[in-house]
Amino acid sequence: SAVISQKPSRDICQRGTSLTIQCQVDSQVTMMFWYRQQPGQSLTLIATANQGSEATYESGFVIDKFPISRPNLTFSTLTVSNMSPEDSSIYLCSVLPGQGSSGGELFFGEGSRLTVL
Amino acid sequence: GDSVTQMEGPVTLSEEAFLTINCTYTATGYPSLFWYVQYPGEGLQLLLKATKADDKGSNKGFEATYRKETTSFHLEKGSVQVSDSAVYFCALGGYQKVTFGTGTKLQVIP
Repeated sequence: SAVISQKPSRDICQRGTSLTIQCQVDSQVTMMFWYRQQPGQSLTLIATANQGSEATYESGFVIDKFPISRPNLTFSTLTVSNMSPEDSSIYLCSVLPGQGSSGGELFFGEGSRLTVL
Repeated sequence: GDSVTQMEGPVTLSEEAFLTINCTYTATGYPSLFWYVQYPGEGLQLLLKATKADDKGSNKGFEATYRKETTSFHLEKGSVQVSDSAVYFCALGGYQKVTFGTGTKLQVIP
C-alpha cells in the first residue's frame, strides 16, 4: 500500500496565474500519475510522471500547460499554467506500488480542488 | 485500446434496497478489474478488485465477479445504506495504466 499527501488541498486562483501541486508518497514507487477530475466527470489521465526524465503526456495534454517534475521516487509536482476557468477541477496524484507492470491497484491522494476565477 | 463502459447515473435507492451497477470492459490481454468509491468531498479509494476470470471481489457487503465470457464486472450489494451514497467507478488495470469508467452516482434515501 501507499499513503499519499497532496497539497494544496484546495485553492482559488486568478485567471492567467499558475499553481503548483505537490505529491509526496510515504514509500518509493515506480509509477506515479496525475489525473484530472472535472466537476461531475470521471477521471482523465493527464500524464505519467517519470523519475529522472520527461513526463509522458496523454492525448490532449501538453507539457507547456501541465509541466511535471519527478525528482525522486517519492515526490512529484504538477503545475497548471496560465489558468483559465476551464481548468477548475480536482487534480489527483496516484501511484502504482510494486513493479507497476500490470494489473495493480492505484492509490490516490485526497486531491487538490482548484477553482479559477 | 482499453475502455470501460459503466451504467449511467444517478441511481436513487431506498435504504435496504438491492443495488446493481453495470460495468463492461474492452481490453487486450488479461487485465485486473476494480471498483473504486468516492465519498462526498474525498479522494478515491479502492472498494474491491478481481485479478482473474471468475474471481469474486468483495468488501463492505459489496461484490463483483470477473466474467470473462461477458466482459463484465457488475457491482452488487444486497441491502444498501445511506452511508453508501457516493460515486462508484469501475476501472481496468492494464499494462502500467488504469482506465476508468465515467462513474455512477448513488444516492440512498432513508
